[in-house]
Amino acid sequence: QQQVKQSPQSLIVQKGGISIINCAYENTAFDYFPWYQQFPGKGPALLIAIRPDVSEKKEGRFTISFNKSAKQFSLHIMDSQPGDSATYFCAASTGSDYKLSFGAGTTVTVRA
Amino acid sequence: DGGITQSPKYLFRKEGQNVTLSCEQNLNHDAMYWYRQDPGQGLRLIYYSQIVNDFQKGDIAEGYSVSREKKESFPLTVTSAQKNPTAFYLCASSGREGQAYEQYFGPGTRLTVT
Repeated sequence: QQQVKQSPQSLIVQKGGISIINCAYENTAFDYFPWYQQFPGKGPALLIAIRPDVSEKKEGRFTISFNKSAKQFSLHIMDSQPGDSATYFCAASTGSDYKLSFGAGTTVTVRA
Repeated sequence: DGGITQSPKYLFRKEGQNVTLSCEQNLNHDAMYWYRQDPGQGLRLIYYSQIVNDFQKGDIAEGYSVSREKKESFPLTVTSAQKNPTAFYLCASSGREGQAYEQYFGPGTRLTVT
């Protein structure tokens, strides 16, 4: 069973719009939450990551929001561009072994 | 130019044959990982190694084997015991001392077994 649940499975957004992807977890030992971006036929690339001691982290047009009490975190892609069309994975890890547990992925399509 | 290389990019094998996928990194990372990716299921951990000559099973290790004789290399063998080996295989590595969490991925090997 997946330790990190990700939704939606896919989404379509118009150019300039906001893409929102949500993830939820149960294991309270998780203390590192990265997001990866993957283009077809390529390996995932680390996009942005957050730790539970902050509620929000922003890098350019990408923002992670973290809600520790709800055990949820989300990725917002502001001003979405066609080049953002990719599959996005959330993940979580603990400090004991650094293994990553991945969500199932969200395919984002940005329409021009 | 530092990074992770996986070879070959595409691999075709007949059922019943063992096949070894290569993964090399020049990032001086201590830890290395192998994941399997299937459509709609995200990435699932096969094996990982935190130090040379040591490795642990991940969530789906059955039918796979690994070795870690050198820090730079972590080859994965898909054995004939793996019931459904056709998949996209990804290797990753991560450092230590404050960067242990950040995993960096190679370009992947797509294995097709018929």
